[in-house]
Amino acid sequence: NAGVTQTPKFQVLKTGQSMTLQCAQDMNHNSMYWYRQDPGMGLRLIYYSASEGTTDKGEVPNGYNVSRLNKREFSLRLESAAPSQTSVYFCASSEATSNQPQHFGDGTRLSIL
Amino acid sequence: RKEVEQDPGPFNVPEGATVAFNCTYSNSASQSFFWYRQDCRKEPKLLMSVYSSGNEDGRFTAQLNRASQYISLLIRDSKLSDSATYLCVVKTDSWGKLQFGAGTQVVVTP
Repeated sequence: NAGVTQTPKFQVLKTGQSMTLQCAQDMNHNSMYWYRQDPGMGLRLIYYSASEGTTDKGEVPNGYNVSRLNKREFSLRLESAAPSQTSVYFCASSEATSNQPQHFGDGTRLSIL
Repeated sequence: RKEVEQDPGPFNVPEGATVAFNCTYSNSASQSFFWYRQDCRKEPKLLMSVYSSGNEDGRFTAQLNRASQYISLLIRDSKLSDSATYLCVVKTDSWGKLQFGAGTQVVVTP
């Protein structure tokens, strides 16, 4: 039972490089999310997708783009990486009904030099 | 002001003791509440949902006080394996978007 799978687990980039973080879930959830977590701060929502075909900005969307490829997959792209984007990135999914929790992938640790 | 605030700790707890801590939230329209657990450098995992009447799950008890806008978590008979960061999570809209606290660190010592 895989749940939410993120790739890669670790990545080091140079400033200005681009990359895409992949996320897939096998729980048939409608909603998917991308968060970043920085030391001393709670998880902050970057983008979310309430259902297949829709995406919306979260709290910290600048510098990122997303694609909801299908119901299973939700990718996060950094077009021109900056050191401020050094963080741990988590993907999550859930049913969007009340009281349903989110299930998280095990994260991508991204360093921008 | 942060939407969800937690005492960062650490709360240093002897094995077998009880520890309790709170979380406050600012949005009075918040609909659902959760406690997640996060181990060092791992993903957050749901510990328990928090219901209006309060609820228990084994050694863990969660309470909600809507009037004062806080939730609490109590851990009884602490185990070494309870050492973790506990994240307070509040659902603020109808479809699923969550607000996370920065977490309370609990360290259980032998």
